[in-house]
Amino acid sequence: DVKVTQSSRYLVKRTGEKVFLECVQDMDHENMFWYRQDPGLGLRLIYFSYDVKMKEKGDIPEGYSVSREKKERFSLILESASTNQTSMYLCASSSRGGRSYEQYFGPGTRLTVT
Amino acid sequence: GESVGLHLPTLSVQEGDNSIINCAYSNSASDYFIWYKQESGKGPQFIIDIRSNMDKRQGQRVTVLLNKTVKHLSLQIAATQPGDSAVYFCAEILNTGGFKTIFGAGTRLFVKA
Repeated sequence: DVKVTQSSRYLVKRTGEKVFLECVQDMDHENMFWYRQDPGLGLRLIYFSYDVKMKEKGDIPEGYSVSREKKERFSLILESASTNQTSMYLCASSSRGGRSYEQYFGPGTRLTVT
Repeated sequence: GESVGLHLPTLSVQEGDNSIINCAYSNSASDYFIWYKQESGKGPQFIIDIRSNMDKRQGQRVTVLLNKTVKHLSLQIAATQPGDSAVYFCAEILNTGGFKTIFGAGTRLFVKA
């Protein structure tokens, strides 16, 4: 069974803290994605990666960075957390090839910044 | 149907009835469309997809209809069960060299026992 796991289900951080969200997939997928999900706004793409050490900005990259040192792991970093980054963060992965549009999602990390 | 904004559209159906969830997509050049189901506390899960050259596709208890003329997508769930209660959202996929995915905001389905 395919699996995408995220390091934390719930996280509470203070404004200004550096925050790391980790995502691991066991499907040997080349593509990995980070989204944030806010009520009524759908999923918005923050960053994605097509390969190890490669990253591309998504639609809302400001205030975030990412790291992909190993194929199975994609980390999202909030350099200095702010209250407007309170959200649900979802990681996803997909294969390279014909069905690369089908993404497999992790359970999400609900981050609260106070 | 889909909505951009703070309030998620809600559909309430009786157990055993059929459900129809609608989605208006934005780009006439989209190549694929996917319906995802997101249960409370979980990540989105793929339900069914349809290619742009099709107008109907059936799965197990689910059917997706695509009307490219009005850029409309619908998900029909037959004999809705309590386990179908979730947020459903559509996604349109453009092939721009890689695949770009645009997600809808979602519709919450409540199934009354």
